[in-house]
Amino acid sequence: RKEVEQDPGPFNVPEGATVAFNCTYSNSASQSFFWYRQDCRKEPKLLMSVYSSGNEDGRFTAQLNRASQYISLLIRDSKLSDSATYLCVVTGNQFYFGTGTSLTVIP
Amino acid sequence: DAGVIQSPRHEVTEMGQEVTLRCKPISGHNSLFWYRQTMMRGLELLIYFNNNVPIDDSGMPEDRFSAKMPNASFSTLKIQPSEPRDSAVYFCASSLGRGGLNEQFFGPGTRLTVL
Repeated sequence: RKEVEQDPGPFNVPEGATVAFNCTYSNSASQSFFWYRQDCRKEPKLLMSVYSSGNEDGRFTAQLNRASQYISLLIRDSKLSDSATYLCVVTGNQFYFGTGTSLTVIP
Repeated sequence: DAGVIQSPRHEVTEMGQEVTLRCKPISGHNSLFWYRQTMMRGLELLIYFNNNVPIDDSGMPEDRFSAKMPNASFSTLKIQPSEPRDSAVYFCASSLGRGGLNEQFFGPGTRLTVL
């Protein structure tokens, strides 16, 4: 079983839609959680950290469910510029990137 | 501020040749990571250093790969001899603190093609 699993998608959604991604992890001792964004042919960049109580940054909401061992990312009112691949990262004694979920927002 | 700097940005070489990739982390960061990204396998951690010391090299595929960090501002990843299956984008990243507990800042990557 992989340490971190993501649905690769692709997710194709119209502008203005709400879309959610999940990422499951296997190590219950994991400590830190992040979502990164990677544009085509570019490097990954931090989108947001994920805190135990959940956190929001504008149209983006990240949540952590330790009991079920997953993190989620919700994007509201999708913009064309949100089109990218979204990578989850789970860290503890070691750290793992998910393989990414591809999102395309369609006009 | 300069981010993570990698060179070369693109490298095309023939099978059997030695390839050296270079990385300059962000000044003040004490953790440095080397990753490889392919369509099939996604982003894979190869090795990471903390305070110039290799901490986890379990991701290094085989003896053909080696990495060094002679000082806090420079690291190299060497492949000798290179093979076509090594073709990938190689990213270097740096962060404050130990391991992956903090935000990692990635360089632009080196796109390696081995013919």
